[in-house]
Amino acid sequence: DAGVIQSPRHEVTEMGQEVTLRCKPISGHNSLFWYRQTMMRGLELLIYFNNNVPIDDSGMPEDRFSAKMPNASFSTLKIQPSEPRDSAVYFCASSRLAGGPRDTQYFGPGTRLTVL
Amino acid sequence: EDQVTQSPEALRLQEGESSSLNCSYTVSGLRGLFWYRQDPGKGPEFLFTLYSAGEEKEKERLKATLTKKESFLHITAPKPEDSATYLCAVQVFYGGATNKLIFGTGTLLAVQP
Repeated sequence: DAGVIQSPRHEVTEMGQEVTLRCKPISGHNSLFWYRQTMMRGLELLIYFNNNVPIDDSGMPEDRFSAKMPNASFSTLKIQPSEPRDSAVYFCASSRLAGGPRDTQYFGPGTRLTVL
Repeated sequence: EDQVTQSPEALRLQEGESSSLNCSYTVSGLRGLFWYRQDPGKGPEFLFTLYSAGEEKEKERLKATLTKKESFLHITAPKPEDSATYLCAVQVFYGGATNKLIFGTGTLLAVQP
């Protein structure tokens, strides 16, 4: 199994630019999660999807952030416009059971975003 | 408010020196407790899930245990390759959102040869 795939692995952009992060979950997994990791706040859940439907986006910091999951094998996290405080590592994770109580999330390698 | 606290923040061990990492939690509706390992520049790697007090799981030099308020990750005779950040997370029941994990800030373990 290929695991969760994220792209790009590194992104450096200027303040105000649009940034799009991409994720391909593990085949057969029904839930997909976007996290942000910083030294100050650790791993924070931004949003998650069950069966391509957004379930909880309460962790999305502000309207500049948006996420989509057009099909079971692809999701994007978009930041527009980007700001220096958005610099962090963004992880995508997926799990098999949508809403299942005994379930495990598997993480991708992350995208390190730097906004100058 | 649901909270997960890990201690110590950092731990330095000599190779072969056993120790334990702690994860204490204050949550309502705990569904499970997860341990992950994270190497620099990589995503968290799943290690264990514990579901009920008294449960234990082992993998090589690692053993995880769970009580009603905390979990321990015991490392027996560690090797330098065990150096990593160890993350604890609790799965909390929020009505339909049962897959939600709340992470601690991790323990950075360094094992010196």
